[in-house]
Amino acid sequence: KAGVTQTPRYLIKTRGQQVTLSCSPISGHRSVSWYQQTPGQGLQFLFEYFSETQRNKGNFPGRFSGRQFSNSRSEMNVSTLELGDSALYLCASSQSGISTGELFFGEGSRLTVL
Amino acid sequence: QKEVEQDPGPLSVPEGAIVSLNCTYSNSAFQYFMWYRQYSRKGPELLMYTYSSGNKEDGRFTAQVDKSSKYISLFIRDSQPSDSATYLCAMTGTAAGNKLTFGGGTRVLVKP
Repeated sequence: KAGVTQTPRYLIKTRGQQVTLSCSPISGHRSVSWYQQTPGQGLQFLFEYFSETQRNKGNFPGRFSGRQFSNSRSEMNVSTLELGDSALYLCASSQSGISTGELFFGEGSRLTVL
Repeated sequence: QKEVEQDPGPLSVPEGAIVSLNCTYSNSAFQYFMWYRQYSRKGPELLMYTYSSGNKEDGRFTAQVDKSSKYISLFIRDSQPSDSATYLCAMTGTAAGNKLTFGGGTRVLVKP
């Protein structure tokens, strides 16, 4: 059974640009959630999508957005990039959602903002 | 103060020793408690999953939850160098808004 796939694995952007990250969940999983991981703040929840609807949202500014497609694949977009957005962005898939915590993570997309 | 507190370590132990990890939390609405292991440059991997209070054992791993003290623990018996990683606790619950909250992680180093 294929795991969670995130693309791209590494990317470098400059301040003010925007970026789109992609996540393909495990087959049959309808929940995809996104997280930002930094050395200072640790792992922080961004948002969760379930069957194409945003179900939960963390405390991040509106520059961070996402969507989910009918095949459960999800994208996350960050607009007007800031230096502080440099982080490892992880997505996780789940059958029933983050409320039970049984998540399967991808290897992440490492974003560097210059 | 963070909702979930976890000692960042590093925790260094000799091979074969018992590794003891713990987290404290402040939100009594948490019902589900997890431990994830994260190797360098990899995504977290679910190790243990516990609902409410009690103990759960899986091979060399034992998870304990004490809701009255708002304290959870993970024990790793017969530790191996391959257990060297960062261990993250996480918790969630319906009454906690269904948001998944992670501890900061404890870095563990098992020396051969």
